[in-house]
Amino acid sequence: DAKTTQPPSMDCAEGRAANLPCNHSTISGNEYVYWYRQIHSQGPQYIIHGLKNNETNEMASLIITEDRKSSTLILPHATLRDTAVYYCIVRVNGGFKTIFGAGTRLFVKA
Amino acid sequence: SAVISQKPSRDICQRGTSLTIQCQVDSQVTMMFWYRQQPGQSLTLIATANQGSEATYESGFVIDKFPISRPNLTFSTLTVSNMSPEDSSIYLCSALTGFIGTDTQYFGPGTRLTVL
Repeated sequence: DAKTTQPPSMDCAEGRAANLPCNHSTISGNEYVYWYRQIHSQGPQYIIHGLKNNETNEMASLIITEDRKSSTLILPHATLRDTAVYYCIVRVNGGFKTIFGAGTRLFVKA
Repeated sequence: SAVISQKPSRDICQRGTSLTIQCQVDSQVTMMFWYRQQPGQSLTLIATANQGSEATYESGFVIDKFPISRPNLTFSTLTVSNMSPEDSSIYLCSALTGFIGTDTQYFGPGTRLTVL
């Protein structure tokens, strides 16, 4: 079973920051937080991952709480092309399978 | 990174027949997986494709229905056997690459299967 809880859907205005929350209260010390997104009719796309420190790349920022029980994915300036289902996943790094939950359907509106 | 291609991209099949889906990765990867995504649903893991040995299946999936091969580090096939309309789904190949702390899972574009 998936170890994360996400809201089923969210809206965001184009150009604004999209903040997608994820709860993972049972995360183990060696489990990482991964984020993927799936744009309609495409395979999932890797966005970012982290263990306990905040991470940033060209796509997004990942903020992990100090107790690691929740995290937030931030898309700093959402565009219409960011409309997708976003999946938050926790798993052990280093050759382990990924189990998907239901994800959050993000609608970016003009 | 890894680029994954799948063939065919889509197919329409008759019930009782079988379809083999091919997955090719452009670089050597540590692990390969097969997922199924039914309409409007999230991804469900079918199995881990092991190089040179039998695949490891998740609960609810069996080798007789979904035989999998992985003859080398970059190629795998999934067969959907004795198909029924309930097998109509998108089937996705996935590959894991990188090292501990940096490993990342990539996904193919999927094969859209319709069974009549």
